[in-house]
Amino acid sequence: SQQGEEDPQALSIQEGENATMNCSYKTSINNLQWYRQNSGRGLVHLILIRSNEREKHSGRLRVTLDTSKKSSSLLITASRAADTASYFCATDLFRNSGNTPLVFGKGTRLSVIA
Amino acid sequence: GAGVSQSPRYKVAKRGQDVALRCDPISGHVSLFWYQQALGQGPEFLTYFQNEAQLDKSGLPSDRFFAERPEGSVSTLKIQRTQQEDSAVYLCASSLNDRAQYFGPGTRLTVT
Repeated sequence: SQQGEEDPQALSIQEGENATMNCSYKTSINNLQWYRQNSGRGLVHLILIRSNEREKHSGRLRVTLDTSKKSSSLLITASRAADTASYFCATDLFRNSGNTPLVFGKGTRLSVIA
Repeated sequence: GAGVSQSPRYKVAKRGQDVALRCDPISGHVSLFWYQQALGQGPEFLTYFQNEAQLDKSGLPSDRFFAERPEGSVSTLKIQRTQQEDSAVYLCASSLNDRAQYFGPGTRLTVT
């Protein structure tokens, strides 16, 4: 079963616009990660936010985390055609101190139209 | 440096055949993970290793699935007597200590 659920399932925007994707999860977490997957390729790690952080930035990416609502959002500013991909949030399967497998949502398919 | 590599990239198997999927992790990464990704879904955990030790295999769908990492580097996922429901993309990822996982391109398995 999948822990996270992204919303919307699909999003289509014009180049230059901002894209916001949301993720909700079910159980307490240590951290939450966002990954991108281009068509036919593996996943690429974008950003990790810890449970004691509320916001984090990386280039054109901004991630927020609200542990009281068990939700996170990923904002991509000034989108480009190259941002077209599926975006997944992921949380730890096991809450221990080491590396654990991840539980992924179903993803948001983002299409950026030039 | 080189990323995670997987081979073959594509595999077509007839139902009932055995297949072996290989993963070469990033050198020095102690953790290695296998995921299965169905079309339109997120990856789902199968099994993972820390060095050569298989720490958890609770995600393997049946006893036809077997994974190993005998020397703590390369890993092989074997599926015996493949069934049509095994058709999926199999992703391998490795990780050091920072929790970020680095994924290979995957092996797309089609069982006919």
